[in-house]
Amino acid sequence: DAGITQSPRHKVTETGTPVTLRCHQTENHRYMYWYRQDPGHGLRLIHYSYGVKDTDKGEVSDGYSVSRSKTEDFLLTLESATSSQTSVYFCAIGSSGAGTEAFFGQGTRLTVV
Amino acid sequence: GNSVTQMEGPVTLSEEAFLTINCTYTATGYPSLFWYVQYPGEGLQLLLKATKADDKGSNKGFEATYRKETTSFHLEKGSVQVSDSAVYFCALSDGGYNKLIFGAGTRLAVHP
Repeated sequence: DAGITQSPRHKVTETGTPVTLRCHQTENHRYMYWYRQDPGHGLRLIHYSYGVKDTDKGEVSDGYSVSRSKTEDFLLTLESATSSQTSVYFCAIGSSGAGTEAFFGQGTRLTVV
Repeated sequence: GNSVTQMEGPVTLSEEAFLTINCTYTATGYPSLFWYVQYPGEGLQLLLKATKADDKGSNKGFEATYRKETTSFHLEKGSVQVSDSAVYFCALSDGGYNKLIFGAGTRLAVHP
C-alpha cells in the first residue's frame, strides 16, 4: 500500500454545484496527479503538481482547478459540476527519474445528476 | 503529440491459454513504457516497465519488450489464470514530471 487516500470514495452531486475531491499521501512524493477514467479513453491527465503551490494543466483541464498547499495534500475542484464530469477520478503520486513508478489511489466515483 | 494505442477488448480466454495484448505508441524522444493492471474496484498498479529500446520488463509471468523499430510494447503471458482477469493499460511517460499517457485499456476475462 503506497499510502494514498482519496476522499470521498463516492459522491453524487447536482449540476452546477461545486465539488472538491481530496488526495492525501503519506509517502512524501514530490509529484502528484489527478486523472479521470472513462470508458474508451483509458486515464487522462487533468492537472498535476511538481511541488507545493506548483501546478500545471494536463490534457483535460477545462472545468477543473487544483491546489497544493502542503506536500501531502492535492485538491481537485470542479467549480460548477456538469454531467460530462461524471467519471472515476484517480489520484497518483510519483517521483523524478526516468521510468519511475506512479502509485495510484483507490479512486473516487463521481456522478453529476 | 504522444499517444498510445492498444487493442480493445474484451479478451476472453480459457485458463492456461496464451495471452497477447498489443500496444503501439507514438512519441518524440525516448519514452519509458509501462503496463499497469486494474483489478475490479481498485486503483491501478504497475505490472512491468521498460525504460529503453530492447529492454524486457517482466513480472508475475507477464513480459513485454520495448521495440523501438516497431514502436510497440506488446504484453504476453504463456499461461493465464483466472486471477489474471482485470483491465490492462499500456502507458508511456513523456519525461517531463513523469506524466503518463494511457491507452484505452483492455479487459481480460479468464474462464476456468
